Amino acid sequence: DTEVTQTPKHLVMGMTNKKSLKCEQHMGHRAMYWYKQKAKKPPELMFVYSYEKLSINESVPSRFSPECPNSSLLNLHLHALQPEDSALYLCASSQAPGRGPSNYGYTFGSGTRLTVV
Amino acid sequence: DAKTTQPNSMESNEEEPVHLPCNHSTISGTDYIHWYRQLPSQGPEYVIHGLTSNVNNRMASLAIAEDRKSSTLILHRATLRDAAVYYCILNPPGANNLFFGTGTRLTVIP
Repeated sequence: DTEVTQTPKHLVMGMTNKKSLKCEQHMGHRAMYWYKQKAKKPPELMFVYSYEKLSINESVPSRFSPECPNSSLLNLHLHALQPEDSALYLCASSQAPGRGPSNYGYTFGSGTRLTVV
Repeated sequence: DAKTTQPNSMESNEEEPVHLPCNHSTISGTDYIHWYRQLPSQGPEYVIHGLTSNVNNRMASLAIAEDRKSSTLILHRATLRDAAVYYCILNPPGANNLFFGTGTRLTVIP
């Protein structure tokens, strides 16, 4: 299995709703990532998990709450979002960085297209 | 993070080679050069990466300048499926974050 699977593919939610995005990989990757991508813009890094621990939070508002329950799963919990949070949310995974000079490619999912109304 | 500079857009005729340039004049000696592409309505897709030597794989070739201040992604025969935004990214060893620049939008003309 060489894929990152994201569900749902599309999500419409109201500003008072609570929803979750899910991401799954079975490649044995120990680093997982959330990115946000607005239309015609490059992806922007939100969170990084390394060995199931949050290692990077790029100053993301607390209405986005990541969770890594195990080495294969990554969730993004959403609460009280604003219309400007509407975007494509991408999950990615990679080998966790080691201590040597090696470097790895990242595998991305197809994303969840989120619309906040 | 060291920055990369790419043309906003390029066009290529189908079945002809495409050379996508990237300038990275502030690259450090240990930064890897990564290329990703994003097809419409999909997530980014890894294409190739390298450090100093030129690299080939089934998708593309990566030519790295001797001073490492620039690189070129080469698609040997462009197909309509290669129409995408191509991102050149510098990645330090041991880093577990990947920062995207604005990329080059490649249009392939039938």
